[in-house]
Amino acid sequence: DAGVTQSPTHLIKTRGQQVTLRCSPKSGHDTVSWYQQALGQGPQFIFQYYEEEERQRGNFPDRFSGHQFPNYSSELNVNALLLGDSALYLCASSPTTSIGYGYTFGSGTRLTVV
Amino acid sequence: DQQVKQNSPSLSVQEGRISILNCDYTNSMFDYFLWYKKYPAEGPTFLISISSIKDKNEDGRFTVFLNKSAKHLSLHIVPSQPGDSAVYFCAASLFGDMRFGAGTRLTVKP
Repeated sequence: DAGVTQSPTHLIKTRGQQVTLRCSPKSGHDTVSWYQQALGQGPQFIFQYYEEEERQRGNFPDRFSGHQFPNYSSELNVNALLLGDSALYLCASSPTTSIGYGYTFGSGTRLTVV
Repeated sequence: DQQVKQNSPSLSVQEGRISILNCDYTNSMFDYFLWYKKYPAEGPTFLISISSIKDKNEDGRFTVFLNKSAKHLSLHIVPSQPGDSAVYFCAASLFGDMRFGAGTRLTVKP
């Protein structure tokens, strides 16, 4: 049973460019959340998607946007990249009503902005 | 807004002894609290959770305690094993919006 898969695993971009990260949730999960984890910090909530709509959003600027497809997979887009966007980006999936069972996380995409 | 705090960046214990990891939160509306374990180059792995209406939940060697009046929760690992060495994140959920602490690195020495 495949868990959460993210692609690519590593990415290097130039400041000002745009990037798209991809996530396939665990089978049976329909809710996808995205997190940014800077070095030495805990994951920071970016947003959550359910039924192809953004359901909740953390304290991130509009440069961060996302999308969920009918098959529940999701994309995270970041425009006008800044050096401070360099981080590990984690995707997590869950069944909608099972927060008590936690989220299943992917291994992340390491984004480096130069 | 640091709503979930783990004030100890690291903890070292001897194999077989108890490990106690602590976490404080500020928002009394959180409905679920969770602990995750993270190994290098992997995403966090769910360990155990507790509803805000309970004060204790146990799963094998892992027990989570919740003190709502103090806005504090802790994870007890008994007995600790070298394989438990990892970074542990505390998280709190408000209707599915999960906020994480900065993590505590646990080292269990043989």
